Amino acid sequence: AAGVIQSPRHLIKEKRETATLKCYPIPRHDTVYWYQQGPGQDPQFLISFYEKMQSDKGSIPDRFSAQQFSDYHSELNMSSLELGDSALYFCASSSLNQPQHFGDGTRLSIL
Amino acid sequence: AQTVTQSQPEMSVQEAETVTLSCTYDTSESDYYLFWYKQPPSRQMILVIRQEAYKQQNATENRFSVNFQKAAKSFSLKISDSQLGDAAMYFCAYRRPNSGYALNFGKGTSLLVTP
Repeated sequence: AAGVIQSPRHLIKEKRETATLKCYPIPRHDTVYWYQQGPGQDPQFLISFYEKMQSDKGSIPDRFSAQQFSDYHSELNMSSLELGDSALYFCASSSLNQPQHFGDGTRLSIL
Repeated sequence: AQTVTQSQPEMSVQEAETVTLSCTYDTSESDYYLFWYKQPPSRQMILVIRQEAYKQQNATENRFSVNFQKAAKSFSLKISDSQLGDAAMYFCAYRRPNSGYALNFGKGTSLLVTP
């Protein structure tokens, strides 16, 4: 079965640079979620989109923005990167009230 | 805001034995969903089991079952016949009922399975 696809799998950036993470949800899933998981931490919710509209917002920094496109894929844009942004970034997708299924994550390292 | 508490940072179980992971949560809502996710060393997040709050019957998925006590706001995971592949971090999570709402995770329990 098709899963959530995230790209890239690994990304190395320097401080103050920008990064764009992409997420392709499971076909026919209408909701996309972004989570950030720091080392040894539980995943923290950033933002979600339902039918291309923002549906919920968590602890997403103002330096980050996201959107969901007409084909339902989503992008998380991160600017002015800081050392503390180093983390595993998960995208998840779901439909209706079904459970969220996670992608394999993008590991972002800030040097 | 809803909070999820996992009071056991680490647990250990012998192969073929049974282990129970604890989870409590705090909410003022009557309808919600509860989940257990598994995160092995590969760091993937894998759904183990889910429970709808309006269902009194405890969910079961093969060797995994839950003990859902709504009044006590408790949601424990029982793993029977433990296998080496069960070794992972286990996260309990809460979600409000409607689509688009986030998962609130507990801090996780690291499960070690010994031969």
